[in-house]
Amino acid sequence: EIVLTQSPATLSLSPGERASLSCGASQSVSNSYLAWYQQKPGLAPRLLIYDAFKRATGIPDRFSGSGSGTDFTLTISRLEPEDFAVYYCQQYGSSLGITFGQGTRLEIK
Amino acid sequence: EVQLVESGGDLVQPGESLRLSCAASGFAFSSYWMSWVRQAPGKGLEWVAKEKGDGREKYYVDSVKGRFTISRDTAKNSLYLQMSSLRADDTAVYYCAREWESGIFDSWGQGTLVTVSS
Repeated sequence: EIVLTQSPATLSLSPGERASLSCGASQSVSNSYLAWYQQKPGLAPRLLIYDAFKRATGIPDRFSGSGSGTDFTLTISRLEPEDFAVYYCQQYGSSLGITFGQGTRLEIK
Repeated sequence: EVQLVESGGDLVQPGESLRLSCAASGFAFSSYWMSWVRQAPGKGLEWVAKEKGDGREKYYVDSVKGRFTISRDTAKNSLYLQMSSLRADDTAVYYCAREWESGIFDSWGQGTLVTVSS
């Protein structure tokens, strides 16, 4: 299986700052089939980004994705109070199955 | 509006069985792959199983192969997860999720909690 490693585990920033979250894959993710999800406490995950850089319906343009191969990044250009949550990357390009990263907690500094 | 509502979660003893259900509405259920994804308390997400819209293809994570079975009833617009030989490490919130395109989960239910403990 493809193992996804997210860094940092926790990111402490203030509203208005820029956030960069990383996701590294143990092998190349084919076709950049990588997604990002946001999860708030007690709620289901929400799709933000798919195919590495495409924003899902209704997602603000302050969220952007980039990367290819084994290195991917989720960037939040200017943090809003509602953006503080846990973020997961997920790959869906492997015939061996779908895997998620362990998550990055974005907390208010 | 797409809606997914899970049910069936419970407290069970190790070795017992349980069936989860997911009622789908607001979309053409038989046209979509559907998955179960779980989240152990305080942990990350783990994909568990998926099934093609016509029910002819099913895939599982290695840790549940031979113990869990995914299925659907298109007449009832419902997805199921039959779980047997449950273990403590199966304890989690189980979400059903729609795959908008292969592997991309665009809609999720609210989850149902399964606790395996003696």
